[in-house]
Amino acid sequence: SQQGEEDPQALSIQEGENATMNCSYKTSINNLQWYRQNSGRGLVHLILIRSNEREKHSGRLRVTLDTSKKSSSLLITASRAADTASYFCATAGTGGFKTIFGAGTRLFVKA
Amino acid sequence: DTEVTQTPKHLVMGMTNKKSLKCEQHMGHRAMYWYKQKAKKPPELMFVYSYEKLSINESVPSRFSPECPNSSLLNLHLHALQPEDSALYLCASSQVARGEAFFGQGTRLTVV
Repeated sequence: SQQGEEDPQALSIQEGENATMNCSYKTSINNLQWYRQNSGRGLVHLILIRSNEREKHSGRLRVTLDTSKKSSSLLITASRAADTASYFCATAGTGGFKTIFGAGTRLFVKA
Repeated sequence: DTEVTQTPKHLVMGMTNKKSLKCEQHMGHRAMYWYKQKAKKPPELMFVYSYEKLSINESVPSRFSPECPNSSLLNLHLHALQPEDSALYLCASSQVARGEAFFGQGTRLTVV
């Protein structure tokens, strides 16, 4: 399975601190994506990083990808209470149409 | 318009009922997906449509039947479901398969 595995499973930090979540996967990928989900409703796409990219930024988000280690990390800087959510990585394989989600990290940011 | 609209938001159905979930997008996306999500678990891929053709069926039981009437609509027909099928059903679309996906808010299904 190419499903991503994330750690930590849960993370609790104070507002203003940085949050780092990691994702590991098993097979070759076309791209890796990060999503946020609030309160068990729809997911929101955060960032997509392609297999030939090493780092991407979007606002307070920084994503890295290490294809040699089959791993990615999501850094949220200067976290806010509104960042409280579940964060999932999702991998899109090199063949076919599948995008498979990892187990997710539940982030809680205390005000 | 960057929305994916799912109806209904909530659905309670008996095990002998037939119901349908609907999903609509007007972003011109050619890939559409159904995912199933249980509480505190990641979304699990069920079906992928690409250019209105079923491309992936992740060994989903036949009591779930997808349909893509046109490039904007995706339905999921439900029949003879089991209580363990209770979950959040999410529809998503992307410009092409494996791309950035836009998700609807989901239908919370309870089978009684």
